[in-house]
Amino acid sequence: GENVEQHPSTLSVQEGDSAVIKCTYSDSASNYFPWYKQELGKGPQLIIDIRSNVGEKKDQRIAVTLNKTAKHFSLHITETQPEDSAVYFCAASIRGSQGNLIFGKGTKLSVKP
Amino acid sequence: DAGVTQSPTHLIKTRGQQVTLRCSPKSGHDTVSWYQQALGQGPQFIFQYYEEEERQRGNFPDRFSGHQFPNYSSELNVNALLLGDSALYLCASSLRVTSVEQFFGPGTRLTVL
Repeated sequence: GENVEQHPSTLSVQEGDSAVIKCTYSDSASNYFPWYKQELGKGPQLIIDIRSNVGEKKDQRIAVTLNKTAKHFSLHITETQPEDSAVYFCAASIRGSQGNLIFGKGTKLSVKP
Repeated sequence: DAGVTQSPTHLIKTRGQQVTLRCSPKSGHDTVSWYQQALGQGPQFIFQYYEEEERQRGNFPDRFSGHQFPNYSSELNVNALLLGDSALYLCASSLRVTSVEQFFGPGTRLTVL
């Protein structure tokens, strides 16, 4: 079955710097790759997603890139702010909302003011 | 627009007991998926309900069962609780046919003593 690896497990940056989180997946049939932000005591919040027919997607300070050949996808956050501090999860799915999401183990991002 | 809601927020049970968790999907959504999130880990898929039937199941024992009602809300039941069942239980809703996004509720924190 699908397996998603996520790195790094922790990431500390200064406010205003960029942060990059990387994930790899094993099943070439996966076609949907969402990213979630989870703050302490809350459920995961969908922040951006990408489908396999797109190589890059951007939403303000957040961007996601996908390399289908290498089975890699990455989250890029620019101009980080203290409120970006949270745990970020990548996930992969073979059938989108009709299928289960396979999550990475998460990256704890700390943005220092 | 109400998001995904779950009840109760917290629950404490003892080994061997049974528990029922409840989820109301986001307005307009028809599919409910349940996930288990152990401390420090990514969510793991338990099962998905659509049209009141279990459509997919993850690698969880039969002690985990569910139900979906005509109004699309859902219940997760766990029998014969084990210490290892202690986790955050998340419900995610989606609109099966026309979208791929899954939106999560705040979760129910279950502690088994």
